[in-house]
Amino acid sequence: DTGVSQDPRHKITKRGQNVTFRCDPISEHNRLYWYRQTLGQGPEFLTYFQNEAQLEKSRLLSDRFSAERPKGSFSTLEIQRTEQGDSAMYLCASSLVSAGISDTQYFGPGTRLTVL
Amino acid sequence: GIQVEQSPPDLILQEGANSTLRCNFSDSVNNLQWFHQNPWGQLINLFYIPSGTKQNGRLSATTVATERYSLLYISSSQTTDSGVYFCAVRRYDSASKIIFGSGTRLSIRP
Repeated sequence: DTGVSQDPRHKITKRGQNVTFRCDPISEHNRLYWYRQTLGQGPEFLTYFQNEAQLEKSRLLSDRFSAERPKGSFSTLEIQRTEQGDSAMYLCASSLVSAGISDTQYFGPGTRLTVL
Repeated sequence: GIQVEQSPPDLILQEGANSTLRCNFSDSVNNLQWFHQNPWGQLINLFYIPSGTKQNGRLSATTVATERYSLLYISSSQTTDSGVYFCAVRRYDSASKIIFGSGTRLSIRP
């Protein structure tokens, strides 16, 4: 079963360092989403891609955050100059948007970031 | 933006009991999903149900779109049903993100 995969699963870093996360979506899915989840809350939308195009970014995505999906397959999320407030679970989801197919989002296991 | 409210926030039940979880939303939607988040943080799809009723084993869900609510039913609860249940919706005029409620934390005692 090749679901959505994320790497790494856990990341501990010091404040001010840069980190990069990777997401591999379900292979035929054309949409890829990034969410962030803090303790006790539901996931919050960050950004999404349709193929390689980044079509929407949340106000939560500050200038320190950048996401790419260069070939319309895997995606990376980079956080520069990390802050303690960036500590959270970063979730990736993918979906297939096509006529007659329900736009169900499938989530990966997440990357848990701890900023010391 | 659209508001999503889930109730109850916490629910503790004995194994074998039935439960009903509710999701209210403030605007028309074109996507509604129920998820179970297990203790390791994995979000597991339960239902895609913007309207109507679906059943999958001991779980079923009903969305009344005109009244802007959805219900998730769990029958004959098992300890493995423990975790947080999230409802997530997409507003009718959006093509992208889904908005999550704050979840219902379900604890099933043996």
